[in-house]
Amino acid sequence: AQSVTQLDSQVPVFEEAPVELRCNYSSSVSVYLFWYVQYPNQGLQLLLKYLSGSTLVKSINGFEAEFNKSQTSFHLRKPSVHISDTAEYFCAVSGRGSTLGRLYFGRGTQLTVWP
Amino acid sequence: EAQVTQNPRYLITVTGKKLTVTCSQNMNHEYMSWYRQDPGLGLRQIYYSMNVEVTDKGDVPEGYKVSRKEKRNFPLILESPSPNQTSLYFCASRTPATGVYNEQFFGPGTRLTVL
Repeated sequence: AQSVTQLDSQVPVFEEAPVELRCNYSSSVSVYLFWYVQYPNQGLQLLLKYLSGSTLVKSINGFEAEFNKSQTSFHLRKPSVHISDTAEYFCAVSGRGSTLGRLYFGRGTQLTVWP
Repeated sequence: EAQVTQNPRYLITVTGKKLTVTCSQNMNHEYMSWYRQDPGLGLRQIYYSMNVEVTDKGDVPEGYKVSRKEKRNFPLILESPSPNQTSLYFCASRTPATGVYNEQFFGPGTRLTVL
């Protein structure tokens, strides 16, 4: 089985500051990794994913995450946040080759951007 | 429009009164799943289905039932709801059920309160 640890439950930052949301995983098999975002009173949206290839993946709204196999991490970063980035962010993992296609989620990190 | 729909979106009920939350997808997806989201716990899988008439327990199945009689529908049944089932529920679907990864699509969520 896989598990995900999001090290920070709350991350408050000021607008235009950089931010890093941390995610570590454990798995006995190779994994796919994801970040989902949940805006207030909405469902989950896929923000970005690592399936294979380049370890640095980017979203269309300026977020990026780097897969680090040796540290079993997939931290999410943005160099300059906007108030509209205020949301809850979930890291998730799925085992490669799994016949179940299950996603295992972390507990979430609430990012609050202040003006 | 490709989507996963859930009904109702909000529900307040009383302990012991049977209820069903419906989930429907129009993408011909094989794999469907139910999650519950609780503060500080992230999303936890309740049940999943690999295809019609194929269902299995996730991590927190107690107190829930599901059925998959048609490919597009995957209702979640609470035979005797209790207050500890007060939560935000998400349905999700993807295809294929096995093999190469494809994005899991989430419904908008159902907020359930059991008094």
